[in-house]
Amino acid sequence: RKEVEQDPGPFNVPEGATVAFNCTYSNSASQSFFWYRQDCRKEPKLLMSVYSSGNEDGRFTAQLNRASQYISLLIRDSKLSDSATYLCVVKPPDTGRRALTFGSGTRLQVQP
Amino acid sequence: DARVTQTPRHKVTEMGQEVTMRCQPILGHNTVFWYRQTMMQGLELLAYFRNRAPLDDSGMPKDRFSAEMPDATLATLKIQPSEPRDSAVYFCASGLEQGHHEQYFGPGTRLTVT
Repeated sequence: RKEVEQDPGPFNVPEGATVAFNCTYSNSASQSFFWYRQDCRKEPKLLMSVYSSGNEDGRFTAQLNRASQYISLLIRDSKLSDSATYLCVVKPPDTGRRALTFGSGTRLQVQP
Repeated sequence: DARVTQTPRHKVTEMGQEVTMRCQPILGHNTVFWYRQTMMQGLELLAYFRNRAPLDDSGMPKDRFSAEMPDATLATLKIQPSEPRDSAVYFCASGLEQGHHEQYFGPGTRLTVT
């Protein structure tokens, strides 16, 4: 089983739609969680950290469910500029030698 | 606006040649990471430094790859000799080993080995 699993998509949605992505992780002791965004031929960029209580940043809402070991990202009122690949990222337990683990990404295409 | 910088941005070389990629982490960050990204494999961790000391290079082919941090402002990734299967985008990222552990990526070096 992969450490971080995501539906690869693509998710094709019209402008203005609400879209949600889920991600599951295998290690229940994982510590920190993030969503990164990667545009075509660009570097991954931090979109938002995911906190236990859930957090919101404008049109974006992230949720963490530790009991079920999944993370979600909700995008409301989708814009054309939201088209990108969204990477779910998890920090494993702190053994002193483990860096972040990246999911393979979910591709979103917002259509006019 | 502090950023991770990488050079070169693009590199085309012939099989067997040495390739050196450089990274300048964000000032004050104490962790540096090298990743490789291909369409088939996604984002793979190659090496991880904390306070310039290598902590994890288990993802790196040891026979041809080497990663170093000669000082806090420079990280290097070398491939010698290069092979066509090394063609990929190589990203450097930096962060702080405290708090929430976010990482910030450089623009990448797009390597093509012919």
